[in-house]
Amino acid sequence: EAGVAQSPRYKIIEKRQSVAFWCNPISGHATLYWYQQILGQGPKLLIQFQNNGVVDDSQLPKDRFSAERLKGVDSTLKIQPAKLEDSAVYLCASSARTSGPREAQYFGPGTRLTVL
Amino acid sequence: GNSVTQMEGPVTLSEEAFLTINCTYTATGYPSLFWYVQYPGEGLQLLLKATKADDKGSNKGFEATYRKETTSFHLEKGSVQVSDSAVYFCALSPSGGSYIPTFGRGTSLIVHP
Repeated sequence: EAGVAQSPRYKIIEKRQSVAFWCNPISGHATLYWYQQILGQGPKLLIQFQNNGVVDDSQLPKDRFSAERLKGVDSTLKIQPAKLEDSAVYLCASSARTSGPREAQYFGPGTRLTVL
Repeated sequence: GNSVTQMEGPVTLSEEAFLTINCTYTATGYPSLFWYVQYPGEGLQLLLKATKADDKGSNKGFEATYRKETTSFHLEKGSVQVSDSAVYFCALSPSGGSYIPTFGRGTSLIVHP
């Protein structure tokens, strides 16, 4: 079974530029998560989808971050414009059942973003 | 809100030593509890989980018991190997209300031959 795929693996941009990350979850997984992991900290949930609907986006900075999950499969996370403090690893995860986060999550390798 | 507190690292051990990584949590109700491991250069992967009080999760020689009375989920292994060197994350998923999973800061484990 293929795991969660993410791209790109690394991205370097200047502040005020925009950037997009892509995630392909494990086939058949209904729930998809985007996390931000700042160096030395644990992952922080940004947004959670169930199929193509948003379950929780209360921690997503909506003035600059946006995410979508078209057709309930792939997802993209965008930052526009980026700030220095957005430098982090962005993790995508998926889980199988519609019971959401009480199920184990499967993580992708992450995208390391550096904002200069 | 919910929170997870892990012991600070790095934890440095010799091969075959006993490992304990402490984890305590704050949450209402009965959350599910997880340990995830992140090997160098890889993504997080589930190590073990427990979904109710007194449950014991186990995998690859690691164990953790869900202690409701002490709100703890400490990770243990009787004899560590060099290949166990990684960062370990304790996490909880709430039982109701907010769907937001909460992770600890992670504890780095370094095992020397």
